[in-house]
Amino acid sequence: GNSVTQMEGPVTLSEEAFLTINCTYTATGYPSLFWYVQYPGEGLQLLLKATKADDKGSNKGFEATYRKETTSFHLEKGSVQVSDSAVYFCALSDRGGTASKLTFGTGTRLQVTL
Amino acid sequence: SQTIHQWPATLVQPVGSPLSLECTVEGTSNPNLYWYRQAAGRGLQLLFYSVGIGQISSEVPQNLSASRPQDRQFILSSKKLLLSDSGFYLCAWSGQSSNQPQHFGDGTRLSIL
Repeated sequence: GNSVTQMEGPVTLSEEAFLTINCTYTATGYPSLFWYVQYPGEGLQLLLKATKADDKGSNKGFEATYRKETTSFHLEKGSVQVSDSAVYFCALSDRGGTASKLTFGTGTRLQVTL
Repeated sequence: SQTIHQWPATLVQPVGSPLSLECTVEGTSNPNLYWYRQAAGRGLQLLFYSVGIGQISSEVPQNLSASRPQDRQFILSSKKLLLSDSGFYLCAWSGQSSNQPQHFGDGTRLSIL
């Protein structure tokens, strides 16, 4: 079956540091890949997505590239801010069936300090 | 634009009491609808999804049930809550075709005493 593996958290960075959160996946076929962000006490917000190999998703300074050869979708940001503190989830979408069922990683908590 | 509403935002219930959580979507028709549970410090577990009125698929056997009485309404229920039902419940919607991103509500935090 499908699975998503994320790096363990929490990740603690100083403001303006470079961020990488690793995500690798196992899937049959060619899934779409997503990053979601969850701020404390809130639901998940779609951060970015990529639907095919070599696509780069980007939003709010975050980027991730769909790497089919390494089955990875690592999240990066060049300079983090305190407001980026949240839990980040990597997810993939199964292309089969009529429902867009997502498989989520366990989430990585990011804490950015001044 | 599309919006999704969940209520209540928080709920404290005694063990053995019934449950009804409601989710509605606006601004789209024929959405796929989903219920997830997020246990403290854990990832998301898909509980139910629905591709149409009255069509419910259950992902894990449990003490909960779901219903979709109208196109844009999704309800999560239980006849008798267990302590293990505590958690953060999230409703989401997506477009009909596969590989669509899901869009989440703000969640309901359920505490069982």
